[in-house]
Amino acid sequence: DGGITQSPKYLFRKEGQNVTLSCEQNLNHDAMYWYRQDPGQGLRLIYYSQIVNDFQKGDIAEGYSVSREKKESFPLTVTSAQKNPTAFYLCASRIISGFGYSNQPQHFGDGTRLSIL
Amino acid sequence: GQQLNQSPQSMFIQEGEDVSMNCTSSSIFNTWLWYKQDPGEGPVLLIALYKAGELTSNGRLTAQFGITRKDSFLNISASIPSDVGIYFCAGGLSGYALNFGKGTSLLVTP
Repeated sequence: DGGITQSPKYLFRKEGQNVTLSCEQNLNHDAMYWYRQDPGQGLRLIYYSQIVNDFQKGDIAEGYSVSREKKESFPLTVTSAQKNPTAFYLCASRIISGFGYSNQPQHFGDGTRLSIL
Repeated sequence: GQQLNQSPQSMFIQEGEDVSMNCTSSSIFNTWLWYKQDPGEGPVLLIALYKAGELTSNGRLTAQFGITRKDSFLNISASIPSDVGIYFCAGGLSGYALNFGKGTSLLVTP
């Protein structure tokens, strides 16, 4: 099945620890995104990447890092510098290249819930 | 990015009632999207709008791209219990990341 796979579904972080959330897509989408969702806050953009080996900070990038070594993969690392990491993290992707594709909607994975131990 | 103004924040209605929610922006977009999120899952795309004034339906759902390009509306007719969830609007410009509203939480009682 084509889609966006996030893993793990649930993740626990100890104090001072870095953790990495996985996001893989087999839709051949160009752009990938990471969002953080807190209750009542909607979706806030952490990082996004429109092409392999390139990425840009979103609105709340501090304490997070990403890489885009392959088109289908966009892992997010929550570093120890992120003092309030407890949230629901969503990965999304979309097509942006080609005539008529610049406005294609994002499609989301099922999320990873991160909690502090 | 900007946070869009989505209202109402929550709705508590009876099965069979119609629902309306809207989203406004301080800037112009050329794409408006509506998503629904069930608890513990990712948002799922309901309707995509690409042209000012466009009115698009998906079953009992109807959404409109405002003529000013700064707002959008979503209507749900004859609500049913499975309509429960959080509805998000999103506005976008070509080449830029989407801007999201904070969501409308919908509860439907049988």
